[in-house]
Amino acid sequence: GAGVSQSPRYKVAKRGQDVALRCDPISGHVSLFWYQQALGQGPEFLTYFQNEAQLDKSGLPSDRFFAERPEGSVSTLKIQRTQQEDSAVYLCASSLRGLAGTFADTQYFGPGTRLTVL
Amino acid sequence: AQSVTQPDIHITVSEGASLELRCNYSYGATPYLFWYVQSPGQGLQLLLKYFSGDTLVQGIKGFEAEFKRSQSSFNLRKPSVHWSDAAEYFCAVVASGGSYIPTFGRGTSLIVHP
Repeated sequence: GAGVSQSPRYKVAKRGQDVALRCDPISGHVSLFWYQQALGQGPEFLTYFQNEAQLDKSGLPSDRFFAERPEGSVSTLKIQRTQQEDSAVYLCASSLRGLAGTFADTQYFGPGTRLTVL
Repeated sequence: AQSVTQPDIHITVSEGASLELRCNYSYGATPYLFWYVQSPGQGLQLLLKYFSGDTLVQGIKGFEAEFKRSQSSFNLRKPSVHWSDAAEYFCAVVASGGSYIPTFGRGTSLIVHP
């Protein structure tokens, strides 16, 4: 497909379980972002990749959150020992250029993964 | 740090009526400004963006926004709303000077009555 895809679309986890969320960006896009969107709120930045390099992880809320993009395309966001406050929609976005042009480029968002932690 | 305020949580309009969604930002210099739309179960789609130049920006789907420096505002407008415009709308700001991380407002939910 031509757009950003994310899987699974919905995930229910019991508190304490580990989860892995996948993002397939648009082919050839250098930049990849992860956001967390709590209910009734706007997206909040989690982390940024330029190709395989994680250049910014300042938005990750705790060391239970880990993201990777080992080959510069698909990315995985992993949450260990999930807590109820992790319940949110996790959005992935990609854009064409790397860091220097990122602010000017359109970010293309995936549909998100809705995580519910019981 | 920059911040964004969308003062209206919900806006209800009749189909065919005009629309204005408010967005105010806080930042020391002129930021880069964006409006996104999010339909239920979908990701965000960029409507328009402002970097510099003409303060009236045209976007997709018939939307436009006007940057007013004196009011620190970037309000979104549409002259005639269609039922398909019902969605969540987010204003976002990126600090100028090399940043790349957007700060989003909490969103305004648009309800369109037939």
